[in-house]
Amino acid sequence: AQSVAQPEDQVNVAEGNPLTVKCTYSVSGNPYLFWYVQYPNRGLQFLLKYITGDNLVKGSYGFEAEFNKSQTSFHLKKPSALVSDSALYFCAVTPRGNNRLAFGKGNQVVVIP
Amino acid sequence: ETGVTQSPTHLIKTRGQQVTLRCSSQSGHNTVSWYQQALGQGPQFIFQYYREEENGRGNFPPRFSGLQFPNYSSELNVNALELDDSALYLCASSLGRDRAYEQYFGPGTRLTVT
Repeated sequence: AQSVAQPEDQVNVAEGNPLTVKCTYSVSGNPYLFWYVQYPNRGLQFLLKYITGDNLVKGSYGFEAEFNKSQTSFHLKKPSALVSDSALYFCAVTPRGNNRLAFGKGNQVVVIP
Repeated sequence: ETGVTQSPTHLIKTRGQQVTLRCSSQSGHNTVSWYQQALGQGPQFIFQYYREEENGRGNFPPRFSGLQFPNYSSELNVNALELDDSALYLCASSLGRDRAYEQYFGPGTRLTVT
């Protein structure tokens, strides 16, 4: 069975500073990894995914994530945070050929003006 | 290309009642998966439907049931509602079963059970 850990409940960062949201995973076989963002009272919005290839994945709104197989991690990063990045961020994993995504519990990101 | 749509957006039910939630898959997609997102939690997989058959189920009781129609739209039915069923229910569609890495999510239905 696959699982995701997002160890921090909330991440606070000053506007303009780098933002990092941590994610580690457990899965049998090669993982497919995802980041989603959720704004209040809204559904999930896809940010980026790692399927294969380059370990550094670039996504929407200036976000990127680095796949590290040895550390089973897929941390989300943004070089310069905006106040509008304040939201709930979810990491998810699935192995190839599986019918479901396993999500972490989410990280609340608060960007302070 | 039409995205994934869900209805209704919100609804309020009383404990013990039954509810039906609806999902229309993205154009060309034949598979629909349902997830429950309780407050403060990540989404949890309920089940998946592929060509009108259930293709896998998460850790949810039998009072959670589903249906998929020939046009690939889907319903989630919950009987004997409990307070803990209050959540955001998300559906996701994909082209083919066991392709969770290609799921597209709808906006969700917010269910409140009082």
